[in-house]
Amino acid sequence: GAVVSQHPSWVICKSGTSVKIECRSLDFQATTMFWYRQFPKQSLMLMATSNEGSKATYEQGVEKDKFLINHASLTLSTLTVTSAHPEDSSFYICSASPGLAVRRSYNEQFFGPGTRLTVL
Amino acid sequence: AQSVTQPDIHITVSEGASLELRCNYSYGATPYLFWYVQSPGQGLQLLLKYFSGDTLVQGIKGFEAEFKRSQSSFNLRKPSVHWSDAAEYFCAVGARYGGATNKLIFGTGTLLAVQP
Repeated sequence: GAVVSQHPSWVICKSGTSVKIECRSLDFQATTMFWYRQFPKQSLMLMATSNEGSKATYEQGVEKDKFLINHASLTLSTLTVTSAHPEDSSFYICSASPGLAVRRSYNEQFFGPGTRLTVL
Repeated sequence: AQSVTQPDIHITVSEGASLELRCNYSYGATPYLFWYVQSPGQGLQLLLKYFSGDTLVQGIKGFEAEFKRSQSSFNLRKPSVHWSDAAEYFCAVGARYGGATNKLIFGTGTLLAVQP
């Protein structure tokens, strides 16, 4: 149980284009989803937290107009990198949390496999 | 502020040797603590977690970790390392409060190499 998928697993795009990454919780309802960014050989940095039906909360320094997050349902969140540039190239990982509805998983996040974005 | 420190950036051990990866945290209350493993180009897999109760927790793949409140530590151990254990290991602390939203703060990771 508690499987999270991401699509696509990798994407290459031209500078100036927008890219959408999907994060799905396959067998549970995710009240909260998180988006992380990971640079090569570095740790995960939280970009934003999204609750279903609400606006995402962005971490300090993350441009909300650059990284658009939508959490329209309890099983799907999307991250859109708008007008991508080479410096946006990174590994993007999402996670999903069922929240208090499932006590044994309280405060636990389940991670997707990640999406490798390369902007040329 | 919450923080997690993994003092060892890179560790090399011989296959069959024991392993201990260090993790220290800073948090005002009893935290939720996690160890994750990441293989190259992959997402994170949960090895084990501590929420409360017994301070020695058992995880998958033969790993264990011990929560020591007095030392603010949550070190990961394995008695005999296998070549397939070579990966990046992340310690994380989660905020403990009543609410649907929670955050994980990750350490910088320890890259484990296993020599034959």
